Amino acid sequence: QLRLQESGPGLVQPSETLSLTCTVSGGSISSSNYYWGWIRQPPGKGLEWIGSFYYLASTYYNPSLKSRVTISVDTSKNQFSLKLTSVTAADTAVYYCARHWFTAVTHIDYWGQGTLVTVSS
Amino acid sequence: SSELTQDPAVSVALGQTVRITCQGDSLRTYYASWSQQKPGQAPMLVIYGNNGRPSGIPDRFSGSTSGNTASLTITGAQAEDEADYYCNSRDSSGNHLIFGGGTKVTVL
Repeated sequence: QLRLQESGPGLVQPSETLSLTCTVSGGSISSSNYYWGWIRQPPGKGLEWIGSFYYLASTYYNPSLKSRVTISVDTSKNQFSLKLTSVTAADTAVYYCARHWFTAVTHIDYWGQGTLVTVSS
Repeated sequence: SSELTQDPAVSVALGQTVRITCQGDSLRTYYASWSQQKPGQAPMLVIYGNNGRPSGIPDRFSGSTSGNTASLTITGAQAEDEADYYCNSRDSSGNHLIFGGGTKVTVL
């Protein structure tokens, strides 16, 4: 059974960089057909896609966040990471890592449990 | 277009049928998928593409698409179906994943 687990600091100072890691077990992030990505949800609000990658191929970012976001991959650890720079209170959210398809059907079939990141001094 | 529009909330009597809609220009090109989210939990896929259902999802959940509108129908709603439901798809460029704003379903 595929499992995704987010990890990283729960509190980040304003203007600093938010860094999270997603560890995948029960499957490989280098397998074909799947994209892997990050999605966030501010408290009491809806879901927002941050960005996704397809191993050794494409990486796509939400245009509204693109200037501040980097997704990187460590296949030796079967992990991928998120960096979001210059954070403000508006970046406070539950951050999920997820696996999804990106064909004519874009469905997210596996989610991590999510981790709350609060931006505050 | 980079938007998917959902009604914010809908209610349904126990055992009755409710349909949730998701509108967007990109749905003329790409299928929608639907996820259910209960308080404090991660979302969970319930319908994908042309009425696909992951293993374990009850058959009272069904999906359809007409023009620029995708629909999720719950036939015979149960108390445990009370949740937020989000549609998602790709935007018109095809390079970005987009979500609807979510619909809160209340089972009366």
